[in-house]
Amino acid sequence: DQQVKQNSPSLSVQEGRISILNCDYTNSMFDYFLWYKKYPAEGPTFLISISSIKDKNEDGRFTVFLNKSAKHLSLHIVPSQPGDSAVYFCAARERGQNFVFGPGTRLSVLP
Amino acid sequence: EAGVTQFPSHSVIEKGQTVTLRCDPISGHDNLYWYRRVMGKEIKFLLHFVKESKQDESGMPNNRFLAERTGGTYSTLKVQPAELEDSGVYFCASSLLGGKNTGELFFGEGSRLTVL
Repeated sequence: DQQVKQNSPSLSVQEGRISILNCDYTNSMFDYFLWYKKYPAEGPTFLISISSIKDKNEDGRFTVFLNKSAKHLSLHIVPSQPGDSAVYFCAARERGQNFVFGPGTRLSVLP
Repeated sequence: EAGVTQFPSHSVIEKGQTVTLRCDPISGHDNLYWYRRVMGKEIKFLLHFVKESKQDESGMPNNRFLAERTGGTYSTLKVQPAELEDSGVYFCASSLLGGKNTGELFFGEGSRLTVL
C-alpha cells in the first residue's frame, strides 16, 4: 500500500519547455515534502522541499506546488534543460522524520 | 567535507551467503537511515538510527537483516543468509538532528547487491 504515488513512470519534454512532475499521497499526517533527483549510479540528491503550511516554494527554475486538500504536489521545471534528465523522487515526512518515497518518474529532456 | 560513503559499491554473492554493507555518514550527523530500492521501484525505508540507537526499524523485512551502529558513527547492514529477493540497491542517508534539520537527507551512492 503505497503512501506516496508517482503515477507517471516516465516523461519526455522538449528542451526549453516546462516539465511537470506529479505526486499524490494518502497520509494526511505528512508535514514536509521533498523532491530528490537521481542520476544513474549515483545516490539521490535533494532538490527542493515544501512545508505543509505553504502551498508554493520556488528555487530558480524549480517550483513545488502543494495542494493539501487534494493531497497532491507537483514539481515544475522551467525551462527544462538536457541536464535535468534524471529520475525524480517525491518524498514525504511524517512526524519523527520517517521519510517515505514514491517510485520515481524518469524525466527525459530532449535537445 | 566528505559526503555519505558506502562500501562496497557492488557485491555479487550466492544465495545463502552473508554480506555486510557499510555506511559512513557525514561527520556530525546523528540521524542515519538505511533504504532499499528493488527492481527500479520506490526507495523503501528500512530503519533509522539516532546516534547508536535504533529509532525505527519497522521497515526491516525480516530477521535475516541486522543493522548496527556501534558508537554512533558508521553503520553496518548485514544480510544473513541472503536470498534472491534481497537483490537491489541499498542506500544509506544521514541528516542533522534538531533545529537545523530541514528534512534534507544526504544520500550515499548506494551499494548494489546481487544475489545469484
